[in-house]
Amino acid sequence: KQEVTQIPAALSVPEGENLVLNCSFTDSAIYNLQWFRQDPGKGLTSLLLIQSSQREQTSGRLNASLDKSSGRSTLYIAASQPGDSATYLCAVHNTDKLIFGTGTRLQVFP
Amino acid sequence: EAGVAQSPRYKIIEKRQSVAFWCNPISGHATLYWYQQILGQGPKLLIQFQNNGVVDDSQLPKDRFSAERLKGVDSTLKIQPAKLEDSAVYLCASSQTTSHSTDTQYFGPGTRLTVL
Repeated sequence: KQEVTQIPAALSVPEGENLVLNCSFTDSAIYNLQWFRQDPGKGLTSLLLIQSSQREQTSGRLNASLDKSSGRSTLYIAASQPGDSATYLCAVHNTDKLIFGTGTRLQVFP
Repeated sequence: EAGVAQSPRYKIIEKRQSVAFWCNPISGHATLYWYQQILGQGPKLLIQFQNNGVVDDSQLPKDRFSAERLKGVDSTLKIQPAKLEDSAVYLCASSQTTSHSTDTQYFGPGTRLTVL
């Protein structure tokens, strides 16, 4: 059974810091891995999708890496801003469904 | 392009009452998903539709939960009777296909259910 874990559960950093969010999964037989952002009272927004054959994806200040063999992914956020404050969820596409982690709640203060 | 719409946004009911949620997916999206997100946890898939057929409902508590997708567009999720542990945010998502490798799911804002 696929299990997805995210560390840390919560993170509070000053504006401008570079930070790394971690995601690990137990079954490496995945189709892809996605990182989502969830704002309070809103749905999930897909940030990056990494295919199982890829090592990383970049979008603006975000960079996500995937090491399928070790069951790990990281989301790197450069030069963090208060607007980055949200919960970040990783999800693996395993068999025919998305399996989500519990999320990292990020707060970036001015 | 309009996003996934859900209503109501909030609902408070007492245990043993019934409740229904509605979802309108992005136009043209064949696949529709209902997720349950309990506070502090990630979303868990309840049911997946491909057009108006059920693809996966293995995690749907069928003794109290039901869902339908008439005409392959809108969908409703019903809970009858509700229990305290059903308090959660219910998220609807849609995608163009069920392609594992490339398809992205688009999520609605969710319905926050509180069962007292």
